[in-house]
Amino acid sequence: DGGITQSPKYLFRKEGQNVTLSCEQNLNHDAMYWYRQDPGQGLRLIYYSQIVNDFQKGDIAEGYSVSREKKESFPLTVTSAQKNPTAFYLCASSIAGKLFFGSGTQLSVL
Amino acid sequence: GENVEQHPSTLSVQEGDSAVIKCTYSDSASNYFPWYKQELGKGPQLIIDIRSNVGEKKDQRIAVTLNKTAKHFSLHITETQPEDSAVYFCAAIDFGNEKLTFGTGTRLTIIP
Repeated sequence: DGGITQSPKYLFRKEGQNVTLSCEQNLNHDAMYWYRQDPGQGLRLIYYSQIVNDFQKGDIAEGYSVSREKKESFPLTVTSAQKNPTAFYLCASSIAGKLFFGSGTQLSVL
Repeated sequence: GENVEQHPSTLSVQEGDSAVIKCTYSDSASNYFPWYKQELGKGPQLIIDIRSNVGEKKDQRIAVTLNKTAKHFSLHITETQPEDSAVYFCAAIDFGNEKLTFGTGTRLTIIP
């Protein structure tokens, strides 16, 4: 089954804690992305990676970090520096400009 | 950078009627315009797209039109059905920078 797999579907973060959201793809796409979606709003770009071992900040990178050690994987860490982390997080990969999204992770603060 | 505006933010139409969602973009270098449909609790899915060398594209009940001079593009859904209820996002990209910019979304509700 080809696609983008995000886990977990729901995640809770305690204050001061770092949490990591997983994103795996088996589409053999070079580019991968992380977006944040707040209720009733559009998608805002956090980080993106065009190739393994390289990534760039998006529009709202503060308080987040990523790594791209393997083509298939692009995990996102929400650090304690992100003061308002509650949101729906979407991972995507792309080819020729077409984005393919995972099913998302809902992060909430305890 | 690119700025994409989308209207309306909410739209309700009677089942069987047509729905139209409009977007404008700012960067004349943008050359690819996809539309995504997002159902509740899921990730967006690509439903139709258009490139800047084409004025219109159709896929069954869905069509997209592009006016490069005015820098706007529209999604048209005909003979709407309850399963068309979702949030729709437009987007624009310049393949030179590979960064897709999204509109703020339209919540479409089909009234049975």
